[in-house]
Amino acid sequence: GAVVSQHPSRVICKSGTSVKIECRSLDFQATTMFWYRQFPKQSLMLMATSNEGSKATYEQGVEKDKFLINHASLTLSTLTVTSAHPEDSSFYICSAANRARFTEAFFGQGTRLTVV
Amino acid sequence: GQSLEQPSEVTAVEGAIVQINCTYQTSGFYGLSWYQQHDGGAPTFLSYNALDGLEETGRFSSFLSRSDSYGYLLLQELQMKDSASYFCAVRDRDSSYKLIFGSGTRLLVRP
Repeated sequence: GAVVSQHPSRVICKSGTSVKIECRSLDFQATTMFWYRQFPKQSLMLMATSNEGSKATYEQGVEKDKFLINHASLTLSTLTVTSAHPEDSSFYICSAANRARFTEAFFGQGTRLTVV
Repeated sequence: GQSLEQPSEVTAVEGAIVQINCTYQTSGFYGLSWYQQHDGGAPTFLSYNALDGLEETGRFSSFLSRSDSYGYLLLQELQMKDSASYFCAVRDRDSSYKLIFGSGTRLLVRP
């Protein structure tokens, strides 16, 4: 399967600071990237969908000014959590997809964010 | 919108067979997938059904009935390492092919 690299795997930050999470597709061109958030023992909740070169589409209830998504190239998307608060502490996972291969989603390793 | 329902927990013994059901509602159905996730890890792809019927991949099989908006994952010869969360997911072509996950089923395999 394809390889998606997500960095960092763990991050601890102070309240009020911003954190950037990177998601790279290493061996294929990701026309679309999805960002999910997962709280303990819960499902993956889609936050936003980003297509290369265009603005991200956010799911209802997700603040686009707080969760900034950039998908500037076919191999890199970033999620920036701005002015982080303890309630933003969660597991964030990216998924890369190519329209020619929509049968399978390839996930990054996830980022455990803890805001103190 | 989209919604998927699956049982929250299933317990089975090693060597047994277990079936995890999933019912879904979506406007632009583009296939039903199954993913496995161990605690602290990322989801890993197990199977995909676009058409009705059974798909078999080793110890895992997945079934789809589009007319019933229903599918299941069948795990045979259960092993301790199969203890994990299992998610069904649908891709919606009417919404940028986004992948929407069910609530997940925690499978506990006992010796």
